[in-house]
Parts: sequence; structure tokens; C-alpha cells
Amino acid sequence: EAEVAQSPRYKITEKSQAVAFWCDPISGHATLYWYRQILGQGPELLVQFQDESVVDDSQLPKDRFSAERLKGVDSTLKIQPAELGDSAMYLCASSLAFGGPTDTQYFGPGTRLTVL
Amino acid sequence: SQKIEQNSEALNIQEGKTATLTCNYTNYSPAYLQWYRQDPGRGPVFLLLIRENEKEKRKERLKVTFDTTLKQSLFHITASQPADSATYLCALSNSGYSTLTFGKGTMLLVSP
Repeated sequence: EAEVAQSPRYKITEKSQAVAFWCDPISGHATLYWYRQILGQGPELLVQFQDESVVDDSQLPKDRFSAERLKGVDSTLKIQPAELGDSAMYLCASSLAFGGPTDTQYFGPGTRLTVL
Repeated sequence: SQKIEQNSEALNIQEGKTATLTCNYTNYSPAYLQWYRQDPGRGPVFLLLIRENEKEKRKERLKVTFDTTLKQSLFHITASQPADSATYLCALSNSGYSTLTFGKGTMLLVSP
């Protein structure tokens, strides 16, 4: 069964350093999402791509976070510089169609980030 | 502001019983409501979607209700099993090209 791949699974960094996370969605999925999940909370959408275009990044802290999906396939989320409050699970998800509310989102295993 | 509330305390039940989880929302008129399961250290897994004009949806041992008057969804697992132990998240969305807003989730623990 096809799955969303993410790497690394765990990342420990010091504040003010740069970190990057990678996501490879299920083959053929047009829509890709990055979520942040703080321990004990639900996932919060950071950015949504339709193919290579950003369709929603209203919750992305653009002063330090950036995301790209250059060829409309895999994606990278970067944080520079990392802050203590960025410690969280970063989840990537993908869906087959245009990202409407009835599209099933398939989540990857996440990257657990710890900022010291 | 929009708020989605799920019981923050874990729900403990015995194997074979029916588990009922609650999702309440305020200042929101969702067109769709979804339920996800999340195991520790893993990403959420989609379970069920219910539309605002549907009162009830079933899938195997799972049942979801959606009451737009009460602004509440109930999620039932019948004949619960220890393998059902996980955190269950509800998520709401409006119609059109919209994002999912998740609740904090409720942890379910099923004892043998």
C-alpha cells in the first residue's frame, strides 16, 4: 500500500539553527499539506500546495518558515532560525484530487523536532 | 473565535463495550466533519466523513452522528477491542476549497 514518506523521523537542533524536512507524497497525489502538531493538540495546517502552487499559507510564519514543491512532487519545509517554540511534530499529508473538503488526506509518519 | 472541543480526559472502557466520543464546536458552521485515528508517534488515519445534511454514517463497528442544531458530533465504536486504543481527532471543514480544522483529540483506552 502506497504511503507518504517523510524524513528525518527525528531531529534535534539548537535554537537559531536551520532545519529542513522532506516529504514525498503518494504517487499521483496533486495536493500536499504540511501540518504542525504540538504535543496534546490537533494538527494545524501550515501550508497547502496544489501541484507546485501554494493555495493556502495563511498560517505559515513566513519570517522563519518556508516551503517549496518545485516540481509538484516532493516538498521541503524549512525553518530558519529555529526557536524553542518550534518543537513539535511536523506532519505531511497528501490527497489525490484538488484538495477539497471531501478529499481523503493521507498522512505520513511525521518528523519530531526538538529545539534545545 | 472558532472552537472545537473534545474531551481532554482519556476515556477508559472495557473490551466489548461501546465507546462514545464527543466533538462540540462553536462559532462554526461546518459543511463536513471528519474523524481520524492517531496512534502515538504516527500520523492521523482517516476513518469517516459525514456531511451536514447527513444525520448518521456507519462503517463496520464505527458510527458517527452529526447534529448541526446542537453543534455536536458523536463517534461510537461498538464491541470495542484493545486494538482500538488510540487518540481520536475530529476535524471540520466548510464547503469549497477549504482547510481542515482539527480538535485536540480524545484518548481512548480499551482494557481487556
